[in-house]
Amino acid sequence: SQTIHQWPATLVQPVGSPLSLECTVEGTSNPNLYWYRQAAGRGLQLLFYSVGIGQISSEVPQNLSASRPQDRQFILSSKKLLLSDSGFYLCAWSVRRGDGYTFGSGTRLTVV
Amino acid sequence: GQQVMQIPQYQHVQEGEDFTTYCNSSTTLSNIQWYKQRPGGHPVFLIQLVKSGEVKKQKRLTFQFGEAKKNSSLHITATQTTDVGTYFCAGPADYGQNFVFGPGTRLSVLP
Repeated sequence: SQTIHQWPATLVQPVGSPLSLECTVEGTSNPNLYWYRQAAGRGLQLLFYSVGIGQISSEVPQNLSASRPQDRQFILSSKKLLLSDSGFYLCAWSVRRGDGYTFGSGTRLTVV
Repeated sequence: GQQVMQIPQYQHVQEGEDFTTYCNSSTTLSNIQWYKQRPGGHPVFLIQLVKSGEVKKQKRLTFQFGEAKKNSSLHITATQTTDVGTYFCAGPADYGQNFVFGPGTRLSVLP
């Protein structure tokens, strides 16, 4: 069966520090991968998606970047965090476009 | 741009009462998905509707896709405390590989 792993679960980082969040999927190949951010009590904002290794599409200009170095690995990064980067970061995957998403358990990031 | 809206934003019900949340899209959708997010948790896929006028049931949950494929609803019969959470609808983006999520309806169930 397919599983998705996301870590860490919680993170407190000072302003200006770097960020690296990792997401891996098991039990499938060539998944579509997504990074979403959810502000407290708000909806889901798409940050990046990837349909293959090295293929990254960015939805909004921001202080973040994403990479897909391997088929089932998706990484969200920042060189210098801002206070506004705080939020709940969710990785998700789908088999193909139009399929339902399976979300990871998320990372709660607080920038202080 | 493309918008997916949901009403109400919040709903408080007494246990045993019914609950309905409505989803409206600014564009015609090829399909619509519904997710549930428990407090402190992550969204979990519930169902996908594809056909115009489609109705699907999952136990006490009834999902409906509008005839014009621009709106959808989720109805819960006789709510229970386990129904607490935020319910999101999502439609395919006009461009790209992703889905656009509505802002969600947060349901509270009072015992």
